Amino acid sequence: KAGVTQTPRYLIKTRGQQVTLSCSPISGHRSVSWYQQTPGQGLQFLFEYFSETQRNKGNFPGRFSGRQFSNSRSEMNVSTLELGDSALYLCASSFQGEVDTIYFGEGSWLTVV
Amino acid sequence: GDSVTQMEGPVTLSEEAFLTINCTYTATGYPSLFWYVQYPGEGLQLLLKATKADDKGSNKGFEATYRKETTSFHLEKGSVQVSDSAVYFCALKPQGLNEKLTFGTGTRLTIIP
Repeated sequence: KAGVTQTPRYLIKTRGQQVTLSCSPISGHRSVSWYQQTPGQGLQFLFEYFSETQRNKGNFPGRFSGRQFSNSRSEMNVSTLELGDSALYLCASSFQGEVDTIYFGEGSWLTVV
Repeated sequence: GDSVTQMEGPVTLSEEAFLTINCTYTATGYPSLFWYVQYPGEGLQLLLKATKADDKGSNKGFEATYRKETTSFHLEKGSVQVSDSAVYFCALKPQGLNEKLTFGTGTRLTIIP
């Protein structure tokens, strides 16, 4: 079965622009979460969606937002991009159970110039 | 809040050496514990997991035992290979229907022939 798919894999944006990243979870998985990975801050949780509802949110400014569609696919958006938003953005999915495993995609590399 | 403290890297070993990467955690209740591995330019791959005290997770020759009394989940491998060179992340997921992972800082492992 296909894994977690993220698009685009690489992108370059200019400061002040906005960006939308997409994630297709493993078939049957209903929970989708997003993480930001940077050399300085490591892996940080952004938010989690389950059944189109945001269930958890990390400590990021309101410029970072997301949504989940009825087919469990998810998008995250970053508005008014800053240089510090350059990072690898990882999407993860799980079936949603108390001890389920969380599977990650390959990530979207965002560079802000 | 939850936290994971991971052995600082980088770690450099010769092929066939014994590997230990230390991981300790702070969490309430009974979290699930994971080791993820990240190869250059890629996302995170699940290496192994343990969901309750005294569980031993194992995969590809790697092992880790969930020690509630010492709040630890150290990663071990008896004989490392060059192909094991990667960054290793220890992570915990809280008990219950919460898909947020808290990660350690990662340990970069390099195996020299």
